[in-house]
Amino acid sequence: KDQVFQPSTVASSEGAVVEIFCNHSVSNAYNFFWYLHFPGCAPRLLVKGSKPSQQGRYNMTYERFSSSLLILQVREADAAVYYCAVCSNDYKLSFGAGTTVTVRA
Amino acid sequence: EAGVTQSPTHLIKTRGQQATLRCSPISGHTSVYWYQQALGLGLQFLLWYDEGEERNRGNFPPRFSGRQFPNYSSELNVNALELEDSALYLCASSPTVSRGETQYFGPGTRLLVL
Repeated sequence: KDQVFQPSTVASSEGAVVEIFCNHSVSNAYNFFWYLHFPGCAPRLLVKGSKPSQQGRYNMTYERFSSSLLILQVREADAAVYYCAVCSNDYKLSFGAGTTVTVRA
Repeated sequence: EAGVTQSPTHLIKTRGQQATLRCSPISGHTSVYWYQQALGLGLQFLLWYDEGEERNRGNFPPRFSGRQFPNYSSELNVNALELEDSALYLCASSPTVSRGETQYFGPGTRLLVL
């Protein structure tokens, strides 16, 4: 069964680097996607790829079966739910259960 | 440019009824995806439509169905509603059939089954 695993919560302090680890058992995995979700709003893509990449304060590491999202200089406004998703060759996105990031001032 | 829109924002039904949820993709996008997010769980893939055809479906019973219209908007129908169908239903669209293509999400429809 295609599954994506990520921690349920990560706590941090302002200014620190937050790392969210994700690994999967998706067959024929092609790409990782990292989404940000504020409750009540549409999930928004942060970064994606099949190689390490960066978009602003968001870095994505890449291994065949795992990826980490690093949020640099985290702020209180970054407190949200972050989803890791893996795309397979049949174009299906499998999502993890989401990681709630909390940030202390 | 308008994003993905969904209607209604909230829907309350009782067990056994049918629910219809609607989604309008971003202009120019041909693929529409439906996801279910039950309380405390992650996003579960439901259905994928492209060019009017159902291309793939997740591990959900047949009472979850849908369709895509010629203008690429889509409907998700849930028949014989059960209490555990209460969830946030998210629709996403993408411009082409490509594994690397970003899916853009709507704000969701929150369905409550009593």
